[in-house]
Order: sequence, then C-alpha cells, then structure tokens
Amino acid sequence: DAKTTQPNSMESNEEEPVHLPCNHSTISGTDYIHWYRQLPSQGPEYVIHGLTSNVNNRMASLAIAEDRKSSTLILHRATLRDAAVYYCILHTGFQKLVFGTGTRLLVSP
Amino acid sequence: ETGVTQTPRHLVMGMTNKKSLKCEQHLGHNAMYWYKQSAKKPLELMFVYSLEERVENNSVPSRFSPECPNSSHLFLHLHTLQPEDSALYLCASSQDHGDPNTEAFFGQGTRLTVV
Repeated sequence: DAKTTQPNSMESNEEEPVHLPCNHSTISGTDYIHWYRQLPSQGPEYVIHGLTSNVNNRMASLAIAEDRKSSTLILHRATLRDAAVYYCILHTGFQKLVFGTGTRLLVSP
Repeated sequence: ETGVTQTPRHLVMGMTNKKSLKCEQHLGHNAMYWYKQSAKKPLELMFVYSLEERVENNSVPSRFSPECPNSSHLFLHLHTLQPEDSALYLCASSQDHGDPNTEAFFGQGTRLTVV
C-alpha cells in the first residue's frame, strides 16, 4: 500500500494561511490524493482531492508537486473552527480509504 | 449534516447484551462502510458493502455482524462484546467503492461503551 507521511502537529494563528504538508514518495500513477479532516467528537469530513493538477474548492486548495511525491493542503485563512486532525490519504480504485494518524492542527486566537 | 445519519449517538451496553447500530444515507450512494476508531488510534476499516453485497471483511471478530438490507441502510449487530470494543463506530458512504475519484461521506458516529 502506498503510504503517506505527515507531521504529527502544527500550529497556526487565526486568520493566517496554513500549509499542511504530506509526503507520498511511493505514489503510483493511478493514486488520487485525498484530504479529510476530523473535528473533535465528529466523523471525518471530506476536504479536497486531486490527481495531478492543483485543485481549489470553497474549503481549501490542494497543491500537488510536479513529480506527485508530495502535496500541500492550503487553508487560506485559518479560523478556530479549522482546528482538527487532517488526514492525507492515497486512494486507488478498490483500495479503500486507509487513514493514518494525520496532522493535528492547533489554531490560536 | 453530511447526509449520513447514525443512531444511536451514544450507547452503553453490558458484555452479555445484544444491540445494533444503524446507519442511513439518502445520497444515492452504492457503497457503505463501517469503521472503528479507538482512543488514540487511527480509523480502522471493518466492513465494506457495495450494492448490498459485502465485498470486504477486515478480520473482524464474529461478535460484530454487519447487515445491509438495501443500499440506503447499514446495520452493525453487536453481541457478547468486550470492554476493549469500546470505541467510536463510524459509518460512511460513497458513490462507488471502486472509484478513487470520488469522496466519502461520514456519519457523526456512535460512541460505544462496553461495561
């Protein structure tokens, strides 16, 4: 299984941009890069996903390296409600979403 | 509100009890999943259903018994559980379990405590 590596935790101040890194050096050509987040006492929530090109949606942006061995989830202006565990996951066809330990994002006022 | 509803939200049961967890989605999805999240551990995939047929069972003990009567409903029947089975049980659905270009939607989970 292709694996991802994320920092255990990161800190940010409110209203500042946050860049959450993810390394996936063994990614294959058909792996999609997915990001989910889990707020305290809630189920995971889909954030964004992509294959090769950078992606933007109302929640975040996903920047994918040209060689696809790393990606960065960008929250343009962090709010206190963005404090959560962020999971970077590689998803290939019939392999199901396999969650790692993620990055715990702390946001200070 | 994700479109995936789990009931109950909290459950306390004795080791000799039998209970069921329910999951419902009206998103028109064909795949449904059960995950287990123990304290301080990553989510563990338990079961996968596609078009009401079980397609994956990740070495889950037989005291957990899933049921998928139709594409909108998924149950997890519990019997003779152990205290170490206490965890957050999460249900999810997606359009197609074989398509990586689609997202999964999770319910809020059932917090289970076995006493």
